[in-house]
Amino acid sequence: DGGITQSPKYLFRKEGQNVTLSCEQNLNHDAMYWYRQDPGQGLRLIYYSQIVNDFQKGDIAEGYSVSREKKESFPLTVTSAQKNPTAFYLCASSDVWSTDTQYFGPGTRLTVL
Amino acid sequence: KQEVTQIPAALSVPEGENLVLNCSFTDSAIYNLQWFRQDPGKGLTSLLLIQSSQREQTSGRLNASLDKSSGRSTLYIAASQPGDSATYLCAVLIQGAQKLVFGQGTRLTINP
Repeated sequence: DGGITQSPKYLFRKEGQNVTLSCEQNLNHDAMYWYRQDPGQGLRLIYYSQIVNDFQKGDIAEGYSVSREKKESFPLTVTSAQKNPTAFYLCASSDVWSTDTQYFGPGTRLTVL
Repeated sequence: KQEVTQIPAALSVPEGENLVLNCSFTDSAIYNLQWFRQDPGKGLTSLLLIQSSQREQTSGRLNASLDKSSGRSTLYIAASQPGDSATYLCAVLIQGAQKLVFGQGTRLTINP
């Protein structure tokens, strides 16, 4: 059963803490993406990776970090430097040289207490 | 910089009506345009993808058109049903970067 999984579904963070969101895919896709969605807004790109051990900043990378040590995994760390982290976070993957669709995970809702 | 705009932001119609959602983009240098559906608190589901060389795509009661020269796309939903209630997002895949740029979405409510 191929797809993208994200965990946890809900995450609560205290001020000043770093938290890591998990994203795993078994679609054999080279490219993976992290997006942030705020209420009533579209998605904004945080980071993307087109190959293992390489990644690029998206439009709103400040306060976030990523790693890509394995093809199937692309974890996102929300650091204490991110001033307004409460949002819905979506992970996606695609074939890197394809103009086919990106496939999305179910999302993680992060709330800062 | 590519910008994608969706109008209206919200739409409420009675069941059975045909309706049109609009999407506009500022730069015609795109690989494709996609329409997604998002249910509350969920991820995105791809509905239709139109490559830059195509004019339209159809899937069941859904029809999407693309006019690259004018920077516009429409999503037509025929015979709407309460199950169509969701947020609909359009996105363009920009050339050179393999990045999707999203509109802010249209929240659709179909009233029984």
